Amino acid sequence: GQNIDQPTEMTATEGAIVQINCTYQTSGFNGLFWYQQHAGEAPTFLSYNVLDGLEEKGRFSSFLSRSKGYSYLLLKELQMKDSASYLCAVRDSNYQLIWGAGTKLIIKP
Amino acid sequence: IAGITQAPTSQILAAGRRMTLRCTQDMRHNAMYWYRQDLGLGLRLIHYSNTAGTTGKGEVPDGYSVSRANTDDFPLTLASAVPSQTSVYFCASSERGDGSTDTQYFGPGTRLTVL
Repeated sequence: GQNIDQPTEMTATEGAIVQINCTYQTSGFNGLFWYQQHAGEAPTFLSYNVLDGLEEKGRFSSFLSRSKGYSYLLLKELQMKDSASYLCAVRDSNYQLIWGAGTKLIIKP
Repeated sequence: IAGITQAPTSQILAAGRRMTLRCTQDMRHNAMYWYRQDLGLGLRLIHYSNTAGTTGKGEVPDGYSVSRANTDDFPLTLASAVPSQTSVYFCASSERGDGSTDTQYFGPGTRLTVL
């Protein structure tokens, strides 16, 4: 079967750095996405990785290792507005997205 | 403003009733999707459409139907609602087909409660 694993919840301090991990087992791999979802709102696109390595975009970076079936999202200089759920999704061999349950990130002052 | 709209925002529905959730996008995207989101679970694909006139089944299609008469609209119908269909429903769209990342963009969601 297909499976995406992420921690259910994480807590971090404002101004700090946090790493959210995602491991996956899917039928085929055509890219990995990270989305941010604030409570009661729609998911919004953060990053996309298809090749191994680190993609940096401002305070957010995403890393992929295809051989390990592993990705992480790194958030630097945390702000209160970063409190949200972070969703990991893998595009499989049918070009459909398989989604993890999401990691709820709580930022404390 | 370009994007995806969904209607209604929320709905309480009696079991056995028929309900259509509406979704419209103005980005001229080829592909559209319907997901449901339940607490503790990832988004699950119900139905999708790669282009106007075609539809396909996702992971959890039973009890739902869709149509794609044109590029912009992708309604989702519950023929006879059951309490297990209580969920938040998201419509999404993507450009598809040009070798890009094919990012999916989401509508604001419809919160449906079936009693």
